[in-house]
Amino acid sequence: DIQLTQSPSFLSASVGDRVTITCRASQGISTYLAWYQQKPGKAPKLLIYAASTLQSGVPSRFSGSGSGTDFTLTISSLQPEDFATYYCQQLNSYPLTFGGGTKVEIK
Amino acid sequence: QLQVVESGGGVVQAGRSLRLSCAVSGFSFKNFAMHWVRQAPGKGLEWVAVISYDGSNQYNADSVQGRFTISRDTSKNTLYLQVNSLRGEDTAVYYCAKDIAALGTGAFDIWGQGTMVTVSS
Repeated sequence: DIQLTQSPSFLSASVGDRVTITCRASQGISTYLAWYQQKPGKAPKLLIYAASTLQSGVPSRFSGSGSGTDFTLTISSLQPEDFATYYCQQLNSYPLTFGGGTKVEIK
Repeated sequence: QLQVVESGGGVVQAGRSLRLSCAVSGFSFKNFAMHWVRQAPGKGLEWVAVISYDGSNQYNADSVQGRFTISRDTSKNTLYLQVNSLRGEDTAVYYCAKDIAALGTGAFDIWGQGTMVTVSS
């Protein structure tokens, strides 16, 4: 199985900050990677797929990059509604797997 | 309006069975793969199972292999998850999710609100 390691697992930041979350795969997955945002008590929301493609309706302050084993999610200017938990997911091979999550909290 | 709505969760004794349903609307159900994902209380996301657009291919997570079965009924626009031999570690919110692709390796763009399954001992 492909393991995904997210870092950091917890992040404290202020509104307006630039935030970067990394996701490392245990083996190469090309660009078969997605990023999701989840708020408490809610279903996850797709932000990025194919490593760097912004999902329709998602603000352009979100961006993704990477290929192979190393990926990043960047929020260029953190907004109050962005405080949430973020997950990466690999879709290269079954079983599909998620990273452990990164919780972004208000500093 | 694109929508998926899960149902069928509840409190069930260990070893018993349950069938979860996911009714979809607002998109062409027959054209997309569908998934089940679960989340134990306070924990992260765990992918459970996928079924291809035409039902010809299914894959399960190792943790549910032999106990859970995913299926779909295109005539009813409904996805199912038959869960048997339930264990305490199956306690979770179960989400139904639509794939952006037909075979199941796209990404999950539409999610339901989830249905809670609690396994009691």
